Amino acid sequence: AQSVTQLDSQVPVFEEAPVELRCNYSSSVSVYLFWYVQYPNQGLQLLLKYLSGSTLVKGINGFEAEFNKSQTSFHLRKPSVHISDTAEYFCAVRPDTDKLIFGTGTRLQVFP
Amino acid sequence: NAGVTQTPKFQVLKTGQSMTLQCAQDMNHEYMSWYRQDPGMGLRLIHYSVGAGITDQGEVPNGYNVSRSTTEDFPLRLLSAAPSQTSVYFCASTSGGYNEQFFGPGTRLTVL
Repeated sequence: AQSVTQLDSQVPVFEEAPVELRCNYSSSVSVYLFWYVQYPNQGLQLLLKYLSGSTLVKGINGFEAEFNKSQTSFHLRKPSVHISDTAEYFCAVRPDTDKLIFGTGTRLQVFP
Repeated sequence: NAGVTQTPKFQVLKTGQSMTLQCAQDMNHEYMSWYRQDPGMGLRLIHYSVGAGITDQGEVPNGYNVSRSTTEDFPLRLLSAAPSQTSVYFCASTSGGYNEQFFGPGTRLTVL
């Protein structure tokens, strides 16, 4: 079965610093990867997704992620974070069209 | 469009009580899902549906029932609530394929 690992449960960072949130997935023939963001007391919102094509994927709010097949990774990056980026971030893999498997989440805390 | 709506937002139950969490979407999506979110465990799939009249089990289906009599509605029933079902529940829908899943705002359930 496919799975997703987010090794960092919390990532503290100062405002305007760069950030990387790590995501690794179990290998499979076809890989469809997603990053979702959850702001406090809200539902999840799609940041970006990788289905095929360019390995560098750009999403909303200045985030981007790079699909690395050899390292089975899909790390999320932002060159300069804002206070408003404080949220929980979930990496997910979609093994088929019916299901979405989530990682355990990374809480990004941005300090002024 | 209201998107995905969930009611209630909060609920407290006693052990053994039953209740139904409501979920509705107005985007004419075929695929709908229920997840539960627990600290440190990410989101786990409870049940899902690929269309009216069709439902299937996800990763953690025990103690929950679902039905899909219409495209719009996908209620989740707790038959006999247990403290282990204390969680935040999210409903999601998608038009299918590898398109974005849209999430509702969640229902926070506490079972005493």
